[in-house]
Amino acid sequence: AQSVSQHNHHVILSEAASLELGCNYSYGGTVNLFWYVQYPGQHLQLLLKYFSGDPLVKGIKGFEAEFIKSKFSFNLRKPSVQWSDTAEYFCAPPRRGYSTLTFGKGTMLLVSP
Amino acid sequence: DADVTQTPRNRITKTGKRIMLECSQTKGHDRMYWYRQDPGLGLRLIYYSFDVKDINKGEISDGYSVSRQAQAKFSLSLESAIPNQTALYFCATSYGGAENEQFFGPGTRLTVL
Repeated sequence: AQSVSQHNHHVILSEAASLELGCNYSYGGTVNLFWYVQYPGQHLQLLLKYFSGDPLVKGIKGFEAEFIKSKFSFNLRKPSVQWSDTAEYFCAPPRRGYSTLTFGKGTMLLVSP
Repeated sequence: DADVTQTPRNRITKTGKRIMLECSQTKGHDRMYWYRQDPGLGLRLIYYSFDVKDINKGEISDGYSVSRQAQAKFSLSLESAIPNQTALYFCATSYGGAENEQFFGPGTRLTVL
């Protein structure tokens, strides 16, 4: 069965710290990989996505992610977090055999000022 | 995102009641989705529709039904609500293939007593 694993459920950082959130998935076929973000009290919105080409993709607000096919990973990074990055982050690889996504359980990031 | 609207935004109901959650979109997208979000479990797909005549079960469809009344409207029904259906429900839309971004509505918070 398709699975996606986000390694950290809660992360607490101080402003200016570097961030890396792990995401591993089990589906080995053609991949369209997404990271979505949910700010407190809001709906999900796209942070970035990988479809093809350069495995290092850049998204909004200084976020980036690297697709490593051999490791089935799509980790999210940001060199220096801000208080406004406090949110829940979801990795979403494709659901095997379907044209839909499987969302990870999410990582709650709290950035202290 | 005002392009995807959900009604009601909050609902409290009792066990055994029939509930309908509605979703409308003005984005002109062909694909629509219903998810539920539970703390620590991420988003799970309930039903999805790739066009008006296409309805598909998602990961957790038991206890739910849907209706795609028009390209712009996709309703989720709980025929006989139970307490473990208490959750935050999101509608989403997308255009074309799985590589395209999903746009989420603001969510409906449902409480079943």
